[in-house]
Amino acid sequence: SYELTQPPSVSVSPGQTARITCSGDALPKQHGYWYQQKPGQAPVLVIYKDSERPSGIPERFSGTSSGTTVTLSISGVQAEDEADYYCQSPDSSGTYVFFGGGTKLTVL
Amino acid sequence: QVTLRESGPALVKPTQTLTLTCSFSGFSLSSSGMCVSWIRQPPGKALEWLALIDWDDDKYYSTSLKTRLTISKDTSKNQVVLTMTNMDPVDTATYYCARTLFTMVAVEEYYFDSWGQGTLVTVSS
Repeated sequence: SYELTQPPSVSVSPGQTARITCSGDALPKQHGYWYQQKPGQAPVLVIYKDSERPSGIPERFSGTSSGTTVTLSISGVQAEDEADYYCQSPDSSGTYVFFGGGTKLTVL
Repeated sequence: QVTLRESGPALVKPTQTLTLTCSFSGFSLSSSGMCVSWIRQPPGKALEWLALIDWDDDKYYSTSLKTRLTISKDTSKNQVVLTMTNMDPVDTATYYCARTLFTMVAVEEYYFDSWGQGTLVTVSS
């Protein structure tokens, strides 16, 4: 079964840049997608196709891709950005959907 | 405005079959590229994709749960139904339905742009 690997936790101070990585063997050929989930709420799509931002998502959210790793960056982190973040991507066949294990972002 | 809402029992007994309904509005599941998926999340754990049905009535299932899952749609009612057989306490989770968009780049890709609020299903005798 395909796996997407994320760090369990990332901590940053307000105003700094948070970077959350996601590694997977199929990522050189597949896009990465990112979701933000706050406690007790449903996930929200924040980045699609590696680096596109849905309408309504603040510009401080950005995404990049390099080799087997996609990265979600949040510049000028605010307290409201504290949440769990999940990457998602298909495997090399494209048929099946996989999520990473999630990263808890803590704003110090 | 796209909205999705999950409904179903909050409590099921082990070995029973779970039936969940996703009622949606703001899009048509008969439009090309439109799909609906079910995703679950055990308490304190990560998201897990379960199943997807597309505008052409093609269905895809998680390989680990494929034998227990059935997804179907009623386009006229704007509903998608998921059944999961032989429920076990480890299946206790919040179950979400999500509008799923299909995109074709090098290969097929699916992603979730709108989610329901989720429904907690507890499996216990």
